[in-house]
Amino acid sequence: AQKITQTQPGMFVQEKEAVTLDCTYDTSDPSYGLFWYKQPSSGEMIFLIYQGSYDQQNATEGRYSLNFQKARKSANLVISASQLGDSAMYFCAMREAYNQGGKLIFGQGTELSVKP
Amino acid sequence: NAGVTQTPKFQVLKTGQSMTLQCAQDMNHEYMSWYRQDPGMGLRLIHYSVGAGITDQGEVPNGYNVSRSTTEDFPLRLLSAAPSQTSVYFCASRGPGLNEKLFFGSGTQLSVL
Repeated sequence: AQKITQTQPGMFVQEKEAVTLDCTYDTSDPSYGLFWYKQPSSGEMIFLIYQGSYDQQNATEGRYSLNFQKARKSANLVISASQLGDSAMYFCAMREAYNQGGKLIFGQGTELSVKP
Repeated sequence: NAGVTQTPKFQVLKTGQSMTLQCAQDMNHEYMSWYRQDPGMGLRLIHYSVGAGITDQGEVPNGYNVSRSTTEDFPLRLLSAAPSQTSVYFCASRGPGLNEKLFFGSGTQLSVL
């Protein structure tokens, strides 16, 4: 069965510095997608970035990049030049292409706090 | 474009009461799902649907029922509310591709006393 693990319940980063949020996954499906979502204190879920298992390059979206290491089954989110508005919960999620009915399964989340 | 509309935003129930959380999307998405969010647990899948008339259980289905009579609507029913069902509930939908992101509703804060 698919599984997503985020081992950092909380992280602190200084404003303007880069931070890496860890995510490891487990799946037997050769085709899968990995997603990162941000949840600010307002509670909404905001999509950040997507990486497909067959994508040759790491995904990037503005200040967000995904450090995809397929052999290690890790998909870490890197936020460059942190801003105060980046303080939020961050969730990693995975969906398998062929198994599990296309469900998106989430990790436990990492709470990021950006210090001025 | 409304996206995913979820109601109510807040609800307080007494143990044993029943209620329905409403979810509607206007993006013609076949796939819809319900999650609950609890501190330290992330989002856990309750039920999901891959099209009208088709539903299946997620990770934590006990105590919840769903049905999907139309593409647009996917209500979640609590038959007999329990304090363990106090949580934040999210409805979500997406398109068919592997890279399709989930569109989320704004959430329902449910308290069961």
